[in-house]
Amino acid sequence: AQKITQTQPGMFVQEKEAVTLDCTYDTSDQSYGLFWYKQPSSGEMIFLIYQGSYDEQNATEGRYSLNFQKARKSANLVISASQLGDSAMYFCAMREGRGYSTLTFGKGTMLLVSP
Amino acid sequence: GAVVSQHPSRVICKSGTSVKIECRSLDFQATTMFWYRQFPKQSLMLMATSNEGSKATYEQGVEKDKFLINHASLTLSTLTVTSAHPEDSSFYICSAGRADGPAEAFFGQGTRLTVV
Repeated sequence: AQKITQTQPGMFVQEKEAVTLDCTYDTSDQSYGLFWYKQPSSGEMIFLIYQGSYDEQNATEGRYSLNFQKARKSANLVISASQLGDSAMYFCAMREGRGYSTLTFGKGTMLLVSP
Repeated sequence: GAVVSQHPSRVICKSGTSVKIECRSLDFQATTMFWYRQFPKQSLMLMATSNEGSKATYEQGVEKDKFLINHASLTLSTLTVTSAHPEDSSFYICSAGRADGPAEAFFGQGTRLTVV
């Protein structure tokens, strides 16, 4: 079974609108972390936001917020007030267990923001 | 914030030659670095975990003799693609994190390898 599932291969949003990118995860660990990264066409991986499994409040970073629903094992990314520069590939990722370990990535969602 | 630098960003090589890719942590010591491979329009797939001072741990299906990893210091890991073939053409990207710092992994800029 896939550990990270992103069901939206592509999403379209108009500039200044909000958009939600879906992510569900599967783990039996009690301690884990969830991440969202943005990958523009240049290829670099840009960290956006992090949610720890024990964090009670949803993470927020500027225009990015993570809608963490632990019982449903979902960690959707919400981008408010979309900008043209937000057009990129977005990856949800999970780190299992404590300490620093590898990330498991979803297949990604391509977001296109139109004027 | 922590920075990871990867070099070169692009390389074109002839089939049969070897290519070395460097991954440096610029302002922190990284005892562990990770190497990923990404095919076009696909996700990142972990190739190996690079451990300072010891052998790398390779994921299933990754040829350790083809993808040589050396982690000689706390700030440098190298990936050498030996006897490269066109099917090795891909985007390779490294990451590192701080054991005592923020949770996120910091990624290098990536290397686009084209074997002709």
